[in-house]
Amino acid sequence: NAGVTQTPKFQVLKTGQSMTLQCAQDMNHNSMYWYRQDPGMGLRLIYYSASEGTTDKGEVPNGYNVSRLNKREFSLRLESAAPSQTSVYFCASSARQAGTDTQYFGPGTRLTVL
Amino acid sequence: EDQVTQSPEALRLQEGESSSLNCSYTVSGLRGLFWYRQDPGKGPEFLFTLYSAGEEKEKERLKATLTKKESFLHITAPKPEDSATYLCAVQPPNQAGTALIFGKGTTLSVSS
Repeated sequence: NAGVTQTPKFQVLKTGQSMTLQCAQDMNHNSMYWYRQDPGMGLRLIYYSASEGTTDKGEVPNGYNVSRLNKREFSLRLESAAPSQTSVYFCASSARQAGTDTQYFGPGTRLTVL
Repeated sequence: EDQVTQSPEALRLQEGESSSLNCSYTVSGLRGLFWYRQDPGKGPEFLFTLYSAGEEKEKERLKATLTKKESFLHITAPKPEDSATYLCAVQPPNQAGTALIFGKGTTLSVSS
């Protein structure tokens, strides 16, 4: 099993450009998440999808959109990139164990917006 | 407001020098507390889930414990390969969906 995979690994954009970050999991998990990680800020939730066909906003959703394409795939789109969106983006998926959800993370996408 | 605070921010140890990392939280009715390890340039790697006060879990040189207000990650006789950032996260009961609240992490450096 590959677990959670993310593409691309690195990306440089100019302000105003758009792009889509891709995420896929092969663990048959129902829930998937997008986080961003910034120095001194910790991991913050952007959007999540509790199940196929549903998406909800997290703590920092402004400037992003998501699509839960099917059970395996969850994409994050930046419609008009801004320098404030320079960050490392992590996708995660979760399995329910003993009444709680253990999240497993992908390797990350390092995005720089100039 | 639900919060997770980790201390210290950074910790330097000699190989074999045992110590503990702290994670305190202000969430009531905790559903779960999670520890992750993160190496530079990589995603967080799951270590432990703790569900109730008094619970303990072990993996190699690591042992995680939980009380009603905090969790400790004890590192016994650490080796240089234990160097990483350790993240703590909590899952509160009223959080929409299954989102986690993360602390900012403790960066551990172990020198030989």
